[in-house]
Amino acid sequence: DTAVSQTPKYLVTQMGNDKSIKCEQNLGHDTMYWYKQDSKKFLKIMFSYNNKELIINETVPNRFSPKSPDKAHLNLHINSLELGDSAVYFCASTSSPSSYNEQFFGPGTRLTVL
Amino acid sequence: GNSVTQMEGPVTLSEEAFLTINCTYTATGYPSLFWYVQYPGEGLQLLLKATKADDKGSNKGFEATYRKETTSFHLEKGSVQVSDSAVYFCALSSSNDYKLSFGAGTTVTVRA
Repeated sequence: DTAVSQTPKYLVTQMGNDKSIKCEQNLGHDTMYWYKQDSKKFLKIMFSYNNKELIINETVPNRFSPKSPDKAHLNLHINSLELGDSAVYFCASTSSPSSYNEQFFGPGTRLTVL
Repeated sequence: GNSVTQMEGPVTLSEEAFLTINCTYTATGYPSLFWYVQYPGEGLQLLLKATKADDKGSNKGFEATYRKETTSFHLEKGSVQVSDSAVYFCALSSSNDYKLSFGAGTTVTVRA
């Protein structure tokens, strides 16, 4: 059973389009995250939700909007895609927002904007 | 703010060689420290962690010790295998926020 799953795995689209990436976890965790990994492998947090409430909102363009319909899902919608949005996006989850807890990562979604 | 600095790669080794990846950090509060590993084409997975000073994390032959006096958490393995080829990330999470701050990642390639 996949603990943290993301769809799609690959996404190729044109500049200006709107797209969504979906994330689901079956671990019963309360907290979920979105990270962006650039071409140099650098990872940066974007958002975090705890029990469907936004708790971390880093400085990202407001074209990015996360949505958490329930504790097990955290989706990422991106409007007006730009070339610089090309990256691998990782979803992660943890049991609760604590500095001690391990985060479990999904396999990633490779977004390519042409 | 929190930050993690780890040695730049790429690192290329022969099988059974000794591996060290240096990691130092700056943090407020009392951080927990982690090493995550990313195998090709996969997401990150926890390799080991330490939550207080002088703790040693270990897993799969890898070890790292939380050194508060030198603000370091260096990763070591005595004898690497080809299957250890991956990108290794040092990370911290401090007691006053909920997010992981990652180092830049070190790509390790082990040749047979």
